[in-house]
Amino acid sequence: GESVGLHLPTLSVQEGDNSIINCAYSNSASDYFIWYKQESGKGPQFIIDIRSNMDKRQGQRVTVLLNKTVKHLSLQIAATQPGDSAVYFCAENNNNNDMRFGAGTRLTVKP
Amino acid sequence: GAVVSQHPSWVICKSGTSVKIECRSLDFQATTMFWYRQFPKQSLMLMATSNEGSKATYEQGVEKDKFLINHASLTLSTLTVTSAHPEDSSFYICSASLHANRGYYEQYFGPGTRLTVT
Repeated sequence: GESVGLHLPTLSVQEGDNSIINCAYSNSASDYFIWYKQESGKGPQFIIDIRSNMDKRQGQRVTVLLNKTVKHLSLQIAATQPGDSAVYFCAENNNNNDMRFGAGTRLTVKP
Repeated sequence: GAVVSQHPSWVICKSGTSVKIECRSLDFQATTMFWYRQFPKQSLMLMATSNEGSKATYEQGVEKDKFLINHASLTLSTLTVTSAHPEDSSFYICSASLHANRGYYEQYFGPGTRLTVT
């Protein structure tokens, strides 16, 4: 069936470096994508979203890139900080109020 | 805004007993709430979609008689794990859906409930 997946299950970066977390999706009908951050023992927190009519969206220290040609989504975190250590999930939605999550990537920031 | 709470945050129960978890949208009305289960080091797995005033829609493989969902108001949904077994031990997370002005549904997640069945 259609699914959302991640290329890298773990990512370790040095504090201050930029992080890039990738996600592949297979449902070409998906038109809304969201990145969530989940810290240990907590629920997912919204980070940033992007609609399919855009290929880039920027927030505070974060940028989401969408490549519909290859069905690829990425989250870029600038100047990664220890507080960014968490599991990051991408999710897809096709405006039917149904969201599907990818497997998640654990980001570890080394001091 | 868009805060979702869950209660309790953690619970330990004996095998065979039932446990109720509450999910509340604190500052908005949510016609739809979702229940997820998450095992360690795994992604969120959607269990069921709950609409106010109607029966929940369960995902394939989720036993509706074991995981009872009630969505009695626009701000409250409950999940009851009946006759709990150790394999039901997991992190249960709810979310509430809000149809944003931008035209898409946004989901806001609760903090989760850690269930341990002994």
